[in-house]
Amino acid sequence: QKEVEQNSGPLSVPEGAIASLNCTYSDRGSQSFFWYRQYSGKSPELIMFIYSNGDKEDGRFTAQLNKASQYVSLLIRDSQPSDSATYLCAAQGDYGQNFVFGPGTRLSVLP
Amino acid sequence: EAQVTQNPRYLITVTGKKLTVTCSQNMNHEYMSWYRQDPGLGLRQIYYSMNVEVTDKGDVPEGYKVSRKEKRNFPLILESPSPNQTSLYFCASSSPSGANVLTFGAGSRLTVL
Repeated sequence: QKEVEQNSGPLSVPEGAIASLNCTYSDRGSQSFFWYRQYSGKSPELIMFIYSNGDKEDGRFTAQLNKASQYVSLLIRDSQPSDSATYLCAAQGDYGQNFVFGPGTRLSVLP
Repeated sequence: EAQVTQNPRYLITVTGKKLTVTCSQNMNHEYMSWYRQDPGLGLRQIYYSMNVEVTDKGDVPEGYKVSRKEKRNFPLILESPSPNQTSLYFCASSSPSGANVLTFGAGSRLTVL
């Protein structure tokens, strides 16, 4: 059974701090990894994707991938109250459209 | 506007009464998929389609059917709904030329009594 695990939280950080969200996956064949943000009552929307080992930066967001450790993380710098949401980690298998999502981590950024 | 449209957004039905949730995308995406989201379990894939007339089971296909007769449409069919299918359902589409990033519909909240 392919699994993606995340700490469900809630993770609380003060405004302006760095939020660190972590994700581990069980399928070594997973090729690409995605972080989606989901506000309460809304559909998920893409934050970032990564498929190579190392770091990938996009504005205040940095995704990190370590395939040897089967570990993906998302750092949010200068966290804002508008970042308060649930963050979903997803792994895409080595074929087609087989995505496996983690349960999500709820982030709360306190003003 | 590029979007995935699901209908209905909310539905309350009774056990055994067949229902269909429609999904349509206007982005000419090759891939479409259905997910259900339950508290503590995250998004679980029900079915996916990589092209017209090509569908495959995801992780939780039992009790569901799908069809892909046209590229833009991917309806989800519950032939005989049961209470354990009460959930929030999302349709999504993507394209390999777009790094397989999923674009989700707004969601359909289904309650089976």
